[in-house]
Amino acid sequence: NAGVTQTPKFQVLKTGQSMTLQCAQDMNHNSMYWYRQDPGMGLRLIYYSASEGTTDKGEVPNGYNVSRLNKREFSLRLESAAPSQTSVYFCASSGQRQGGGYTFGSGTRLTVV
Amino acid sequence: SQQGEEDPQALSIQEGENATMNCSYKTSINNLQWYRQNSGRGLVHLILIRSNEREKHSGRLRVTLDTSKKSSSLLITASRAADTASYFCAAEGGADGLTFGKGTHLIIQP
Repeated sequence: NAGVTQTPKFQVLKTGQSMTLQCAQDMNHNSMYWYRQDPGMGLRLIYYSASEGTTDKGEVPNGYNVSRLNKREFSLRLESAAPSQTSVYFCASSGQRQGGGYTFGSGTRLTVV
Repeated sequence: SQQGEEDPQALSIQEGENATMNCSYKTSINNLQWYRQNSGRGLVHLILIRSNEREKHSGRLRVTLDTSKKSSSLLITASRAADTASYFCAAEGGADGLTFGKGTHLIIQP
């Protein structure tokens, strides 16, 4: 099925560990995004990539890095995980024509202990 | 900071009734979108209304947009148990992604 695939679905990290969240889309979308969702906070943008080869900071980028590996893949890396990064992470993509709806992945539930 | 703010935060109605959720935003937008999230799942795009539109329909959904008041509403008619979910408005102002509100949790009582 076409869409956005995120891996892993669940992860537990110890404080200070690193990990990379993977995201891939098969809809030939130019733009890709990483959001985090915390209880009662809605979704907040971490980083985005408007097109292959470009990345930009969103609202809450501290503690994260991203890589737009190619048009399909956009990864999010936590270099040294902190308990404050416990959250649900969503990847999304949108098409060339601005104004289309975004397609979201099913999320990664990350716990940092 | 959050661009959109939904009202109410929670809403509980009987099956068959209509549900109305409101959203306010802060800056100029290109479009306003509504998403549904079932518990533990990703967000699903429901409907998009452009800044030059005032009302849009899709099935049992009706969305209005008032750019002078920077507000939007989502009406779900003839609600069903399967409509139980959280609903989010999201403002798109440019190429830098959507800015979401905190959501309205809708419960449909059988």
